[in-house]
Amino acid sequence: GAVVSQHPSRVICKSGTSVKIECRSLDFQATTMFWYRQFPKQSLMLMATSNEGSKATYEQGVEKDKFLINHASLTLSTLTVTSAHPEDSSFYICSARDPGLAAGNEQFFGPGTRLTVL
Amino acid sequence: DAKTTQPPSMDCAEGRAANLPCNHSTISGNEYVYWYRQIHSQGPQYIIHGLKNNETNEMASLIITEDRKSSTLILPHATLRDTAVYYCNLTPGATNKLIFGTGTLLAVQP
Repeated sequence: GAVVSQHPSRVICKSGTSVKIECRSLDFQATTMFWYRQFPKQSLMLMATSNEGSKATYEQGVEKDKFLINHASLTLSTLTVTSAHPEDSSFYICSARDPGLAAGNEQFFGPGTRLTVL
Repeated sequence: DAKTTQPPSMDCAEGRAANLPCNHSTISGNEYVYWYRQIHSQGPQYIIHGLKNNETNEMASLIITEDRKSSTLILPHATLRDTAVYYCNLTPGATNKLIFGTGTLLAVQP
């Protein structure tokens, strides 16, 4: 099946610094990737839709200047948390659709990145 | 966006069938029902999806009522490794976005 990887799996940073998280589709090309955030004991919240070669589409309430998304190739999307603060500490998960699958719109998820801001 | 309602938690004995319900009474005609599960601290895993017909794959079966207002995910022989949060989601229209509900924590007991 389709595999999506994320790097790093875990990161700890100081308040005020920026952190970049990579999401890669390993065996398929993904024109669309999605970024989610998940706080402890809560469900996943969609942050934005990342489109290859164009600007990301952000969900209501998500600051596009704080969460920078770049989808420069068909296999890589990056999320940069700028000027991170403790309240940005969360589990960040990406997913990708494989347009080659005829079955439907199932998304394949990465393993997630645990961000802790001190 | 259409919403789903699931019980917050369920228990199931190992080896027995686990039946997880989901209500989606405001589902639109072109929306699919998707089921994912998330084992603690991992990314969600796709299980199955359907539009109006019942579906079965190697992991589970999906039963959708005729009026499409509810569905049931069936794990035929639950194992301890099936302990996870199970999410019933809908895909709204042509956006391909998944809007996650609150999910059901299934605890498989030995």
